[in-house]
Amino acid sequence: DTGVSQNPRHKITKRGQNVTFRCDPISEHNRLYWYRQTLGQGPEFLTYFQNEAQLEKSRLLSDRFSAERPKGSFSTLEIQRTEQGDSAMYLCASNKWGEQYFGPGTRLTVT
Amino acid sequence: AQKVTQAQTEISVVEKEDVTLDCVYETRDTTYYLFWYKQPPSGELVFLIRRNSFDEQNEISGRYSWNFQKSTSSFNFTITASQVVDSAVYFCALSEEVSETSGSRLTFGEGTQLTVNP
Repeated sequence: DTGVSQNPRHKITKRGQNVTFRCDPISEHNRLYWYRQTLGQGPEFLTYFQNEAQLEKSRLLSDRFSAERPKGSFSTLEIQRTEQGDSAMYLCASNKWGEQYFGPGTRLTVT
Repeated sequence: AQKVTQAQTEISVVEKEDVTLDCVYETRDTTYYLFWYKQPPSGELVFLIRRNSFDEQNEISGRYSWNFQKSTSSFNFTITASQVVDSAVYFCALSEEVSETSGSRLTFGEGTQLTVNP
């Protein structure tokens, strides 16, 4: 399968813990995006990478969130000191030109 | 600022009925792209169509068709002869012209939950 993959698929954590998610984009795609989707809503843009450079961050991305894309391949999204409001589906997408292809998402539940 | 509105939160139809999902968008850009994605219960967003702002031709793909009207800023999606497998949440999305700083980030509507009953 050569689509976008994300790990883990599900994560349950206690408030205050740190969590890290991984996204592996389609191999020839140099653009990578993170979105967050809460129940009953459309996905909301969080951040964008072109190769290894993080070029845009949404205001949704508080100081507790950090994303990296070392070497322009896979990307990680870390949330520090998780809060219950962080519970959501975190989606990764990639493209070169044109439409974005999405991964299956990581569902985070903060208890 | 960009905005996408999908006024229909939920639609329920009986199999074989035709159904139209509405999408209205706002943007100040003259060049932009419109998309429809499907999100089945499994959760993964599936790309359906991409349209650029200069191409107002309607498109048909099997049972799916799309009507793009720039004059009313609408990009509606019709499923003909709906099937139970069409049950999903459908999202309309908008992106600006690709730029170095923002790539082609998407602004999504809130989605329309379509339920097709047998």
